[in-house]
Amino acid sequence: KQEVTQIPAALSVPEGENLVLNCSFTDSAIYNLQWFRQDPGKGLTSLLLIQSSQREQTSGRLNASLDKSSGRSTLYIAASQPGDSATYLCAVDNAGNMLTFGGGTRLMVKP
Amino acid sequence: NAGVTQTPKFQVLKTGQSMTLQCAQDMNHNSMYWYRQDPGMGLRLIYYSASEGTTDKGEVPNGYNVSRLNKREFSLRLESAAPSQTSVYFCASSEQRLAKNIQYFGAGTRLSVL
Repeated sequence: KQEVTQIPAALSVPEGENLVLNCSFTDSAIYNLQWFRQDPGKGLTSLLLIQSSQREQTSGRLNASLDKSSGRSTLYIAASQPGDSATYLCAVDNAGNMLTFGGGTRLMVKP
Repeated sequence: NAGVTQTPKFQVLKTGQSMTLQCAQDMNHNSMYWYRQDPGMGLRLIYYSASEGTTDKGEVPNGYNVSRLNKREFSLRLESAAPSQTSVYFCASSEQRLAKNIQYFGAGTRLSVL
């Protein structure tokens, strides 16, 4: 059974800092890995999707990497802003239609 | 653009009551999903529907039933609510292309069972 772990569970940084969020998974036979953002009281928004054949994906200040062999992914946020404050969730797709989620990292960026 | 719409947004039930959570998507997606999210935990899949007319169990299906009414709508029913079903419920949809299964989520239904 796939298990997804995110460390740390919470993170507080000053504005402008570069930061890395970590995600690890136990079964490397994946179709893709996704990073989502969740604002308080809201649904999830997909940020980046990395297919199993890819090593990284970039969108603006966000860069996600994938190392399938070691079962790890990182989400790098450059020059963090208060508007980046949210919970970030990673999810692994093993079967093409079932996502397994990590517990999330709650990020606070202080002005 | 409505995307994925869930109703109701909030609900309080007494133990043993029944209710149906509604979900509709306007993106012509084939696949739809129901998840629950408990405090400090990620989302867990309850049921999914890969296409109109099909449904399958996810990780935590016990105590729930689903209906894929048509391509747009996918409902989740609690026949006899229990306090353990207090949670936030999310519906999602996707085109379900194998290597690029981007899921789009509704805003959630916050359910309390007393």
